[in-house]
Amino acid sequence: EAGVTQSPTHLIKTRGQQATLRCSPISGHTSVYWYQQALGLGLQFLLWYDEGEERNRGNFPPRFSGRQFPNYSSELNVNALELEDSALYLCASRQLAGGRNEQFFGPGTRLTVL
Amino acid sequence: AQSVTQLDSHVSVSEGTPVLLRCNYSSSYSPSLFWYVQHPNKGLQLLLKYTSAATLVKGINGFEAEFKKSETSFHLTKPSAHMSDAAEYFCVVSDRWPGGGADGLTFGKGTHLIIQP
Repeated sequence: EAGVTQSPTHLIKTRGQQATLRCSPISGHTSVYWYQQALGLGLQFLLWYDEGEERNRGNFPPRFSGRQFPNYSSELNVNALELEDSALYLCASRQLAGGRNEQFFGPGTRLTVL
Repeated sequence: AQSVTQLDSHVSVSEGTPVLLRCNYSSSYSPSLFWYVQHPNKGLQLLLKYTSAATLVKGINGFEAEFKKSETSFHLTKPSAHMSDAAEYFCVVSDRWPGGGADGLTFGKGTHLIIQP
C-alpha cells in the first residue's frame, strides 16, 4: 500500500510570492489534513478537507487556503508569503469509515521564504 | 479545549537502558491519545494509540504507553533503548472525534530522544 505522498520536497520562494503544495492521500482515504511545523512552534493544525469540502481550519490567516480534488488529493496555497511561513508542511490522510481513526503522514514539503 | 504537555524537551539514555517519555493531557471529553515518532527529515509515523479500550497500549518497535485518567497522563516507555530509537517523539490528543475529525490533532512540543552508545 502506497503511503501519503507530497510534492515538492523542497520549495524556495521570496516574500510576497505564492506557494502551492500538493498531497496525495492513501488510496481509499477521503480526509486530508494539513499541518505546519515551524521551528520553535511545534506542529499546528492548518486545514481539514473531506469529500471535497473544507471541514475545519486552524488559527491561520485567510492567505492560507486550499482545496481537495475529486480524487481526494489536495493542494495547499499560501499567498503573499512572509518570512515566518518558512516551515515544514505536513499532509496527513485518514479513512473516516471503518473505525481506524489515526492519521497517516507524508514526508512533508519544506518551504523556505527568503 | 484540549492540550498536551510533554514534560521533557530532551531525554538522553544509554543504549540498552529503559526509556521514559512523559506526557500529560487536558481534554474536555474522552480523549483519543497517540504517540508519533519523527526521524530526521522524515514524516511522522504512528507508534501507538489509545481509544478507550485497554489502558496499556502496545505499539511498534517495543514501545508501550499507559493511559492513566486519574493522573491525566499517557507516558511512553520502552524497556531497552536502541540506537535507532533516536528521534523526535510527539504526544498527541484528540477529543472531538477519534483521530481529530473536527479540530485536527493537538500536538505536544515534542521530546528529542538521544541514545548514548
